[in-house]
Amino acid sequence: DGGITQSPKYLFRKEGQNVTLSCEQNLNHDAMYWYRQDPGQGLRLIYYSQIVNDFQKGDIAEGYSVSREKKESFPLTVTSAQKNPTAFYLCASNPDSYSTDTQYFGPGTRLTVL
Amino acid sequence: SQQGEEDPQALSIQEGENATMNCSYKTSINNLQWYRQNSGRGLVHLILIRSNEREKHSGRLRVTLDTSKKSSSLLITASRAADTASYFCAPQGGSYIPTFGRGTSLIVHP
Repeated sequence: DGGITQSPKYLFRKEGQNVTLSCEQNLNHDAMYWYRQDPGQGLRLIYYSQIVNDFQKGDIAEGYSVSREKKESFPLTVTSAQKNPTAFYLCASNPDSYSTDTQYFGPGTRLTVL
Repeated sequence: SQQGEEDPQALSIQEGENATMNCSYKTSINNLQWYRQNSGRGLVHLILIRSNEREKHSGRLRVTLDTSKKSSSLLITASRAADTASYFCAPQGGSYIPTFGRGTSLIVHP
């Protein structure tokens, strides 16, 4: 059963804590992306990775960090430096970031800061 | 990065009616994609139209692209309650990274 999985579906965090959101894909895709979505808003790009061991900042990278040690995994850490982290986080992948391919999205993680 | 802007922001129609939503963008593109998002879920790809195409069909979906006006439209014919969702356009330019606007929220009443 191929696809992109994100865990957990819901995550609660206390202020000042770092949390890591998981994103795994078994589609053998080269490129992976993290987006943030706020209520009634579009998706804003946080980070993206076009190949293993390489990643680039998106439009709103401050307060976030990522790693890409394996092709299938692209975890996102929301650090305490992120001032307003409550949002819906979406991970996506596509076969080749240098072509016009469709993006495949995971089901999302809803993060709430208490 | 380029971002599409969808219009209207919200659309409410009755089942059986057609739904039309529009997308505008600012710079040249290689292609434009439309996605759908059900509430609280990830996005699902609907259709891709390349910059050298003017119209494309997929089932009840019809997409047009006018590169001279930098705009696209998505038409859903004979809408169903199950079409209720948010719809996003994603223009792709030279960076090949799709970017997304705020979307059109479509409600189809049974």
